[in-house]
Amino acid sequence: QKEVEQDPGPLSVPEGAIVSLNCTYSNSAFQYFMWYRQYSRKGPELLMYTYSSGNKEDGRFTAQVDKSSKYISLFIRDSQPSDSATYLCAMSASRTGRRALTFGSGTRLQVQP
Amino acid sequence: DADVTQTPRNRITKTGKRIMLECSQTKGHDRMYWYRQDPGLGLRLIYYSFDVKDINKGEISDGYSVSRQAQAKFSLSLESAIPNQTALYFCATSDSQAGGAYNEQFFGPGTRLTVL
Repeated sequence: QKEVEQDPGPLSVPEGAIVSLNCTYSNSAFQYFMWYRQYSRKGPELLMYTYSSGNKEDGRFTAQVDKSSKYISLFIRDSQPSDSATYLCAMSASRTGRRALTFGSGTRLQVQP
Repeated sequence: DADVTQTPRNRITKTGKRIMLECSQTKGHDRMYWYRQDPGLGLRLIYYSFDVKDINKGEISDGYSVSRQAQAKFSLSLESAIPNQTALYFCATSDSQAGGAYNEQFFGPGTRLTVL
């Protein structure tokens, strides 16, 4: 079983829809939770970061972490065609530990104009 | 923004050939990483380096080797390429001295490698 599971999609929604992207994980040591966005033919870039449980909002994006359920979510409100990309969740047990990140497999999102 | 560059961007090679992928960064970061990305498998760590003399294996290091020639350069080699090493390869950097609550990684544009 993978440490981090993510629905690969693809997920296709109309412009303006609310999008929900999710990951589950099995390692209870994870404390730092990130969402990376990857456009076609580009490297991933950090979109949002959350420490431990709770919510974090940044414009149209909201990240949620439920450590009791080992479940994280990214919500995109008023989705735009420019949001079309692959979204990867990533997790780490420590901020500056010797291990790098553990990534989900990514969900491909297509927002139709 | 060319803070993390990778060369070549695309490479087609044959089974058994030796291949080197190069990564350079101008961000002044001390930590560098090599990942590979495969459909359905996400990004998996091959090797990471916390400084020039500190190099560590990741989860899938078999068949790969690395060299940290300088703080700004980190190369990945495939000694004898095989078809299942066909993938998208990413270099990333991070700064252990960065402030804030999280040590963000910055990725290069990737190298698409095909082994025939």
